[in-house]
Amino acid sequence: GENVEQHPSTLSVQEGDSAVIKCTYSDSASNYFPWYKQELGKGPQLIIDIRSNVGEKKDQRIAVTLNKTAKHFSLHITETQPEDSAVYFCAATPYNNNDMRFGAGTRLTVKP
Amino acid sequence: NAGVTQTPKFQVLKTGQSMTLQCAQDMNHNSMYWYRQDPGMGLRLIYYSASEGTTDKGEVPNGYNVSRLNKREFSLRLESAAPSQTSVYFCASSPRGTGGDTQYFGPGTRLTVL
Repeated sequence: GENVEQHPSTLSVQEGDSAVIKCTYSDSASNYFPWYKQELGKGPQLIIDIRSNVGEKKDQRIAVTLNKTAKHFSLHITETQPEDSAVYFCAATPYNNNDMRFGAGTRLTVKP
Repeated sequence: NAGVTQTPKFQVLKTGQSMTLQCAQDMNHNSMYWYRQDPGMGLRLIYYSASEGTTDKGEVPNGYNVSRLNKREFSLRLESAAPSQTSVYFCASSPRGTGGDTQYFGPGTRLTVL
């Protein structure tokens, strides 16, 4: 089955700086790559996703890039704010597969 | 819409006891999922149901059973709880039955097995 690795496990940045979280996956059949944000005491919430037919997707301060050849994808957050502090998870799955695999998570802290 | 709801929020069991975690969604979604979340291990899929009447094993199904009662409800049962099942359990749903779709998560159930 799919195996997703996520780095770093913790990340601390100053407010206004950029943050980058990276994930690699093992199954070349995977073609759906979502990113979830989990705030303390809550369930994960989708913030952005990308499918294998595109290499980059942006939504305001958040962007995701995908390199299918190298089997890695990354989350980029620009102009970070304290409310961006949370745990972020990447995931990967083939389009027709309900068994989505998650990375271990990155705890992002944005210092005011 | 309430989205995905889970009950209870917290539960403490003794080893060997049984319990059922309840999940319901009001978004008319086809697929529903049960995950467990442990420190440093992310979310791991226990079971999923792609449609009413069907269930399939995920990555870590041992020690659990599920029931897709109807399109709205998907329950997770621990028949004989073990300390290794201490975890936070999340239910999720997604619109399609085929996967590769946005999943919407509930608030979680924190379970401790003594």
